[in-house]
Amino acid sequence: QKEVEQDPGPLSVPEGAIVSLNCTYSNSAFQYFMWYRQYSRKGPELLMYTYSSGNKEDGRFTAQVDKSSKYISLFIRDSQPSDSATYLCAIEGSNYKLTFGKGTLLTVNP
Amino acid sequence: DGGITQSPKYLFRKEGQNVTLSCEQNLNHDAMYWYRQDPGQGLRLIYYSQIVNDFQKGDIAEGYSVSREKKESFPLTVTSAQKNPTAFYLCASSSGGRQPQHFGDGTRLSIL
Repeated sequence: QKEVEQDPGPLSVPEGAIVSLNCTYSNSAFQYFMWYRQYSRKGPELLMYTYSSGNKEDGRFTAQVDKSSKYISLFIRDSQPSDSATYLCAIEGSNYKLTFGKGTLLTVNP
Repeated sequence: DGGITQSPKYLFRKEGQNVTLSCEQNLNHDAMYWYRQDPGQGLRLIYYSQIVNDFQKGDIAEGYSVSREKKESFPLTVTSAQKNPTAFYLCASSSGGRQPQHFGDGTRLSIL
């Protein structure tokens, strides 16, 4: 079993839809959870960072962590064409190293 | 503006040649990282450094070398021993453990 598994997509939604992006992980020592957005030919940009179970909201983005199920999600409300990108989950363990999911390509259609 | 600058944006390597990718940050971060990104593979850690004059191998260090002589700089050399160097290389930095990493815009390396 891979340490971090991410829904591969691609995902295509109409503008204004609610988007759900998901990752599961296997190592219960993982403690810190991040979501990055990566536009084509660019570096990843940090969207959300959390370390506790529950929800964290920032504008149209909500990060959800369920440590008991080892499951993390990113929700995007009122999705816009500018949200079209690859979304990467990343999880930090006790050794300070990040383990990344393979990314989900999202397209929001006007 | 504070940030991470990677250069060049595109780089071509001939067979048997070593090439060096530059990464400079003005965020005053202690830790710096190099990742390799291949299509469908996600990001894989090559080397990381948590302090000047010290660095550790990541998961795929073979065929690569680094130095960390200054806090703001962490160059990566792709040596001729790296047989499959074509990839997108990303440099990141953070202020230390438990702090998120911030990325540059990458260097795309191709083989001539």
